[in-house]
Order: sequence, then structure tokens, then C-alpha cells
Amino acid sequence: AQKVTQAQTEISVVEKEDVTLDCVYETRDTTYYLFWYKQPPSGELVFLIRRNSFDEQNEISGRYSWNFQKSTSSFNFTITASQVVDSAVYFCALLFTGGGNKLTFGTGTQLKVEL
Amino acid sequence: GAGVSQSPSNKVTEKGKDVELRCDPISGHTALYWYRQSLGQGLEFLIYFQGNSAPDKSGLPSDRFSAERTGGSVSTLTIQRTQQEDSAVYLCASSLKRGRAFFGQGTRLTVV
Repeated sequence: AQKVTQAQTEISVVEKEDVTLDCVYETRDTTYYLFWYKQPPSGELVFLIRRNSFDEQNEISGRYSWNFQKSTSSFNFTITASQVVDSAVYFCALLFTGGGNKLTFGTGTQLKVEL
Repeated sequence: GAGVSQSPSNKVTEKGKDVELRCDPISGHTALYWYRQSLGQGLEFLIYFQGNSAPDKSGLPSDRFSAERTGGSVSTLTIQRTQQEDSAVYLCASSLKRGRAFFGQGTRLTVV
């Protein structure tokens, strides 16, 4: 089965805390792509990152970092020193080539950052 | 165009009426997706077009839903005999093959 699991439905943190959003995926493909999207209260989906299955290097972009571990089929997302503006729903997604290159989303994690 | 365009942005319809939602993808994008998002929920996959291949219709919830993509570009999602449970935001996205998906602003459908 090809699927994406985001077990955390909702996370609440206080501003400046670090927070990690979990993403676990299942696929039989050896070639696949993983994505994170952010959906703020305004509703538009904002692309954050795309990673292919052959690149296990972790990536850092400002306060955002991503930890890709094929051994555990996880692609976790960490926000360092969270801010109120980080409050949004975050979606992890999988594109598997054996499935006709269809993009499948997890159910999302609602992140609330409070003062 | 510069981005994915959806129209209308809002649609209120009476139960039992048919509606058509339009999506203009980014020029040159071979893949086009339709998703549905109910209030506070995740993205529910509806249908996927990739180039000239047969569309993946596995997410359409009933035979009242259909979609077409003409000339590999514009797509129309049609809902026949709308029901109140069809009320949701319908999102369209396009991408190059295996590329990042670009989303439109969505059409908010309200069935009264």
C-alpha cells in the first residue's frame, strides 16, 4: 500500500519552542518524492520542500529543517524557535512513480503557536 | 498564466442542481489534480490527469462526480444533482511530471 501517515492531529506550542511534525510513508517504489506543504488560515497551500528518494541529506532552510530517513520511512519536519506566524496546517505528501506519479497527501497536522 | 486559476471562487447552489468548476493549470504542466477539502479536514483526492494517459478516477465519491481535461489544459469538474454533503472547497493543482504541485485558490462550494 502507498500511503502517508501524519499521526499528530494537532500540536500546540508556546512561541520560541522547537516543534517536530512527523511524517511516515509507505511505498514499494524505489523512486519516489516527498513533499511538505503549509496551509495557513487564509487557505492557500504553500510549497515548502520536495525531496527525492535518492537524496537522504537533511536540509535546513532558515528556521525549518527536514530529516529524511529511509530506514524508518520517515520525513520529519522541525521548526526551530516557532513563531505565531507558523500556525497552520502542515501536510506531508508522497509521489510514487509506480502509481502513475500521483501525489498523495497525509491528513495534516494542525500547529498552533501561542504567545 | 502565472499560476493555477480556478473559477468561480465561490459558488452557492441549490440542492439538486448541477455545478461546473473550472481549473486553468499552469501552461505546460502535464499533471492536473482535483482535491476536495471539507471544513477542518485534510485533502481528499478526487481525480488525476497525467498527459494523454487515462485519468485516475479512483477518488471520485460517486457517479455524480465527473471531470474532463480538454486539450491537455483546462479541466472542468462537474457535480450533478448536488447534495449538502458536497459543500467543501475544491482545490485544483498542476505540476510537471514528478514536480511540485502548484495549487489554485480553490472554489468554495456551498449547497443550500
